[in-house]
Amino acid sequence: GEDVEQSLFLSVREGDSSVINCTYTDSSSTYLYWYKQEPGAGLQLLTYIFSNMDMKQDQRLTVLLNKKDKHLSLRIADTQTGDSAIYFCADLMDTGRRALTFGSGTRLQVQP
Amino acid sequence: DSGVTQTPKHLITATGQRVTLRCSPRSGDLSVYWYQQSLDQGLQFLIQYYNGEERAKGNILERFSAQQFPDLHSELNLSSLELGDSALYFCASSVGTSGNTGELFFGEGSRLTVL
Repeated sequence: GEDVEQSLFLSVREGDSSVINCTYTDSSSTYLYWYKQEPGAGLQLLTYIFSNMDMKQDQRLTVLLNKKDKHLSLRIADTQTGDSAIYFCADLMDTGRRALTFGSGTRLQVQP
Repeated sequence: DSGVTQTPKHLITATGQRVTLRCSPRSGDLSVYWYQQSLDQGLQFLIQYYNGEERAKGNILERFSAQQFPDLHSELNLSSLELGDSALYFCASSVGTSGNTGELFFGEGSRLTVL
């Protein structure tokens, strides 16, 4: 079945760039998303990319999509302590159900 | 504030009991989704409703059921509770069920602890 995988943990120093990676299995994915979950809160959409795009930039966030390898990444430039959170990638299939499938989440820890 | 409201925020109950979690979607959103977040299973899709009708089903146990009412709020019923049902249950809503960007707006979750 459909699967979305992420590494569980990433630690960076404040001011460095963070790169969070995700792989997915379904080639019919139309949109891919990055959500952020802060402690005690729900998930908040950070950004998304349509499957016919390779890259999307939004301020400090850069999303790269390699559709051939089914690989998605989120780069956070100049990472701040406020960026510490769990980051989830998710995809939306073109067929079947319209609910998002989420990865297990990557916990980003930013060291001051 | 996403505009999605979930109650209760915290719930502690015993094994074998039944609980109901409530969700009010964002104003104007017709779709409601329920997700379960546990430490070992990540974020699992349970079920989706669109305008009162069940639209998609994920990894929802037979002991669990849900419905969406005419005013579009939704309830998730969990019965014969087991220790392993302890988790954070999220409700999310979206404008529709097809087209658009599929963005989901999440509530803050209901944390269920089964003792």
